[in-house]
Amino acid sequence: AAGVIQSPRHLIKEKRETATLKCYPIPRHDTVYWYQQGPGQDPQFLISFYEKMQSDKGSIPDRFSAQQFSDYHSELNMSSLELGDSALYFCASSSGRGRETQYFGPGTRLLVL
Amino acid sequence: DQQVKQNSPSLSVQEGRISILNCDYTNSMFDYFLWYKKYPAEGPTFLISISSIKDKNEDGRFTVFLNKSAKHLSLHIVPSQPGDSAVYFCAASSGSARQLTFGSGTQLTVLP
Repeated sequence: AAGVIQSPRHLIKEKRETATLKCYPIPRHDTVYWYQQGPGQDPQFLISFYEKMQSDKGSIPDRFSAQQFSDYHSELNMSSLELGDSALYFCASSSGRGRETQYFGPGTRLLVL
Repeated sequence: DQQVKQNSPSLSVQEGRISILNCDYTNSMFDYFLWYKKYPAEGPTFLISISSIKDKNEDGRFTVFLNKSAKHLSLHIVPSQPGDSAVYFCAASSGSARQLTFGSGTQLTVLP
């Protein structure tokens, strides 16, 4: 079965640079969630989209923005990167905003030097 | 303020025995609970979920129990297998906003 695809899997950037993470949800899933997992921490919700509209916002820094496109894929744009942005970034998708299970991608490991 | 807590960072059990992973929550608005398994360098894999209107849900070797009055849930794995060795995360959500709040995870090691 098709799963959530994230690209790139690994990314190395320097401070103050920008990064773009991409997420391709499971086919026919219309909801995308972004989570950040810092070293030794549990995943923290950043932002979510339903039917291409932002639905909920968590602890996402103002330096980050995201959107969901017409084909339901989503991109997380990160600017003015800081050392503390080094983390695993997970994307999850679900079908609808109801009580539907979220299925996670493999994550993008971002290292900011 | 940790709203979902997994107080045991690690657990070791013998193959064939029962594994019991525990999770406590503080937010009484949570109405949907999930367990995920995570291997290193992979994303969390969904295992089982339970709605707050139930107190038990079973799927094969996995059973989740919910005690709302105690704000406690547990995941039972019977029988445990070496392939079950992974980090297990408890997660919860509430209302129409479906973002998950995760616990800190429990590393399960099943010894052959």
